[in-house]
Order: sequence, then C-alpha cells, then structure tokens
Amino acid sequence: SQTIHQWPATLVQPVGSPLSLECTVEGTSNPNLYWYRQAAGRGLQLLFYSVGIGQISSEVPQNLSASRPQDRQFILSSKKLLLSDSGFYLCAWTGGAHEQYFGPGTRLTVT
Amino acid sequence: QKEVEQNSGPLSVPEGAIASLNCTYSDRGSQSFFWYRQYSGKSPELIMFIYSNGDKEDGRFTAQLNKASQYVSLLIRDSQPSDSATYLCAVRATGTASKLTFGTGTRLQVTL
Repeated sequence: SQTIHQWPATLVQPVGSPLSLECTVEGTSNPNLYWYRQAAGRGLQLLFYSVGIGQISSEVPQNLSASRPQDRQFILSSKKLLLSDSGFYLCAWTGGAHEQYFGPGTRLTVT
Repeated sequence: QKEVEQNSGPLSVPEGAIASLNCTYSDRGSQSFFWYRQYSGKSPELIMFIYSNGDKEDGRFTAQLNKASQYVSLLIRDSQPSDSATYLCAVRATGTASKLTFGTGTRLQVTL
C-alpha cells in the first residue's frame, strides 16, 4: 500500500531563516506530487506541483521554491522565511482516479 | 478564477440525524468532485469522489452531483460525534495534471 511521509512534524523558525521541508512517497512510482499551504482557519492553497523528476510548476509567486530530486521525493524550500509563511504545509500524491492523498503535514511557525 | 464555494458553518446536527453539506463550483469544465474530512490539527482524509450526475453511496456517506446546477453535496446518515470535523469539497477540471481546487470547508458539529 502507498504511504506518504513528511518531516518535520512541527517547526518554529525565525524570520529570515532558511526552510527545507521533505516529503516522500512509498508504494507507488512516478506519482504527481503537490505542496499545499493551509493558513490558520483558511482553505488549502496549492503552492507547487510536479508530474516527474525535475518538473516543477509554481502556482503562486512567493519566496518559496520546490524541487523533485528523485521520483518519490518532493522538497519545499525557502532562503528567507517571512512571517506570512506560517501555516500548515501539506504534501499530497495523486491516485488512479485523480484523487489526492495527503501526508500528515508540517506545522510551521515563523517568529 | 475557478472557485469552489462552501458555507463555512458551523452546521450543527443532533446525533443520529442526517447532515447535509453543500458545495457549488464555477467551472463548467469540472470533471471530478471529491469530499475530504479534516479533523482539527490533522491533514485532510479522502471520504469519496463522484464523476457522474446522480448519487453515489459509500456506507453512511452519499455524494450527490448535479452538473447542470454546478452543485455537489455530501449527506452523512446517522451522524455521530466522531463526524464532527471540517468537510472540504474539491473539484478537478480537465487536463490540469490532476490539480484540485478546494473550497474553504464547512465545519460540522454533531451534538449529543
């Protein structure tokens, strides 16, 4: 069966510090992968998606970037965090019926 | 702008009653429709999806789709306190790399 992992689970970082969040998927090959952010009390905002290694599409302009160095690995990064980057970051992959399955998420607080 | 609209709630129903959650979408090219449940502090979990007009049942859950009215709903029968959560509606348009557009969710409270 497929499993999706995200780490770390929680993170507190100062403004201006770098960020690296990792997502890995097991039990499937060449999945479409997605990064979402959910701000407190808000909906899911799609940040990036990837249909294959090295293929990244950005949905919103911001100080975040994404990379997919391996088939089942998706990384979200920032060189300098802003207060507005706080939120719940979710990685997801797509099943055969276009449904998406989410990882456990990373709760990021920028102070 | 493709939009998915949900009433934020809270929708309060007594235990054992039917909860009805509604969602409208703006893109007539939408092909697939998904319902997720999200408990506070947790990630969304897929409940079910529907592609065709009509009803689709899965246990206590029934999804209803009306493409002409651009309307999708989720019925929860015999509501339990454990159903108290935020329910997210998501829509996929054609040829969008399986990208989904999510509503902001409806908070459901099942009272004893």
